[in-house]
Amino acid sequence: QVQLVESGGGVVQPGRSLRLSCTASGFTFSSYAMHWVRQAPGKGLEWVAVISYDGSKKDYAEPVKGRFIISRDNSKNTLYLQLDRLTNDDTAEYYCARESGSPAGLDYWGQGTRVTLSS
Amino acid sequence: QTVVTQEASLTVSPGGTVTLTCASSTGAVTRNHYPSWFQQKPGQSPRALIYSTVNRYSWTPARVSGSLLGGKAALTLSDVQPEDEAEYYCLLFYSGARVFGPGTQVTVL
Repeated sequence: QVQLVESGGGVVQPGRSLRLSCTASGFTFSSYAMHWVRQAPGKGLEWVAVISYDGSKKDYAEPVKGRFIISRDNSKNTLYLQLDRLTNDDTAEYYCARESGSPAGLDYWGQGTRVTLSS
Repeated sequence: QTVVTQEASLTVSPGGTVTLTCASSTGAVTRNHYPSWFQQKPGQSPRALIYSTVNRYSWTPARVSGSLLGGKAALTLSDVQPEDEAEYYCLLFYSGARVFGPGTQVTVL
């Protein structure tokens, strides 16, 4: 069965960096584009970034452009999100999701990893 | 900055029908936006319901349907059950970026 497991979240000070990971299993990871989506406490979903199946194409939401980098290692079935120059607005649950069927078709989601900014 | 809008909240009686909509600040929503819909219950990850406007996943009940309605994407829940009470989000594709709507809280009362 398809499984996505995020890790790497934690409490971090503003201005610092963090790297999130998403380990995939149960499907051919290298055949699918992958996304990161976040949700601030008590708020709605916010799309963050997407990476193509081979890592050659990436797109980002405006609030994170220039600060976050999405990447993947298909040999390790792992998706990453490097978060730099973090601000309080980046406090959120971060989900990875698989894209299938269409550019907005995110069919499987992980359980999320929490990033909390605190000085 | 592209903005996607949804109804903030809707209430429906058990067994009834409710339609949620998803609008774009750039104009009419079309199939080229590949509208998708997600359900989220408190404390849970989002669950995909509809992709590419009308397509259900294998786990999506047949009483859940997607469409385009008056320049908006729409999600219709028929024969509503108590377990349909949740937050519903639409997602639109904009030539690279994707944008979620703010969500619609559906209450079954």
